[in-house]
Amino acid sequence: QKEVEQNSGPLSVPEGAIASLNCTYSDRGSQSFFWYRQYSGKSPELIMFIYSNGDKEDGRFTAQLNKASQYVSLLIRDSQPSDSATYLCAVDHSSASKIIFGSGTRLSIRP
Amino acid sequence: DVKVTQSSRYLVKRTGEKVFLECVQDMDHENMFWYRQDPGLGLRLIYFSYDVKMKEKGDIPEGYSVSREKKERFSLILESASTNQTSMYLCASSLSRPNTGELFFGEGSRLTVL
Repeated sequence: QKEVEQNSGPLSVPEGAIASLNCTYSDRGSQSFFWYRQYSGKSPELIMFIYSNGDKEDGRFTAQLNKASQYVSLLIRDSQPSDSATYLCAVDHSSASKIIFGSGTRLSIRP
Repeated sequence: DVKVTQSSRYLVKRTGEKVFLECVQDMDHENMFWYRQDPGLGLRLIYFSYDVKMKEKGDIPEGYSVSREKKERFSLILESASTNQTSMYLCASSLSRPNTGELFFGEGSRLTVL
């Protein structure tokens, strides 16, 4: 079992709709969770982080965390073509002070 | 703005060659990391360092070594390059421990080993 799992996609969403990206993790001791966005040919950049159960909103982005289910998600409201990218879920490793990345979900916003 | 600079964007090397990938950050970050990124496998941690002259193995250290002689510079070394080391290599830095801090990535070095 991979430590951080994501559906590779591609996930195709119409412009203006809500895009929902999901991630599960295996380390129950993990405390910090991150979403990175990576445009084609570019490096990852952090867009959200969440430490507590529940929702965290930042503009059109909402991160959701459920530690009991070991599940973290990212919602993108009013999706724009510029949101088309690969989204990487990342989780801290509780015993080794390092960040583990999922393989990413490719999101495509169709006009 | 934090800047993480990787010395080479594209390299082509032959099997058995020694390869150096250099990374420099300009924000006095304590922590530096080397990842490789392959299709379908995501980012995998090779080595990381929390201090000068300190290094720790990541998930896939075999075939690699690192050097951190100065705080701002973290080098990845392939002692004898092999074709399965063809990949995109990403360097990152962070100010605090990674479970509380943001990783800043360089632009990547795409290595092809023939």
